[in-house]
Amino acid sequence: QKEVEQNSGPLSVPEGAIASLNCTYSDRGSQSFFWYRQYSGKSPELIMFIYSNGDKEDGRFTAQLNKASQYVSLLIRDSQPSDSATYLCAVDGGSYIPTFGRGTSLIVHP
Amino acid sequence: GAGVSQSPSNKVTEKGKDVELRCDPISGHTALYWYRQSLGQGLEFLIYFQGNSAPDKSGLPSDRFSAERTGGSVSTLTIQRTQQEDSAVYLCASSASGGATDTQYFGPGTRLTVL
Repeated sequence: QKEVEQNSGPLSVPEGAIASLNCTYSDRGSQSFFWYRQYSGKSPELIMFIYSNGDKEDGRFTAQLNKASQYVSLLIRDSQPSDSATYLCAVDGGSYIPTFGRGTSLIVHP
Repeated sequence: GAGVSQSPSNKVTEKGKDVELRCDPISGHTALYWYRQSLGQGLEFLIYFQGNSAPDKSGLPSDRFSAERTGGSVSTLTIQRTQQEDSAVYLCASSASGGATDTQYFGPGTRLTVL
């Protein structure tokens, strides 16, 4: 069974700091990796996807993928209180049906 | 343009009743997904529709759950003889073609409460 593991948190960081969110996956054949942000009571929205080893940057967000170690991480630079949300990692092994982790709750305090 | 819409936004029902949940995907999107999210849990895949292909029902938890997609657009998820453990938020998502790198756009969800 394909598994995607995330620390449930909460991860608490001060405003302006770097938040680091991690995700590990079990299926070595996984090809696509997604990070979704979900505010409380709202539906998930995609913020990053990555499919090549290395880093992908988009504004304050950087996704890092290491297929050999089977982990993907999301770094949020200059964290803001508005970044406080649950971050869901999703992994797709080519079946077009991604497996989601349970999410990590991030709290950015002023 | 309009995003994914779902109705009703909230549904309270009694144990044993049947419920129907509706999803209107983004126009032109061929792929449609149903997920379930229980409190504090991740997204649990239920069913996937892609164009005119047979749906992938591998995530449906029991035969009380069924879904259809008419005309390649609107989808209805039906839960028969509801149980208290069915209480959750049911999310629908659509993507342009269901490709591995396609963005899934989620609807606002239907919160189902079974008393």
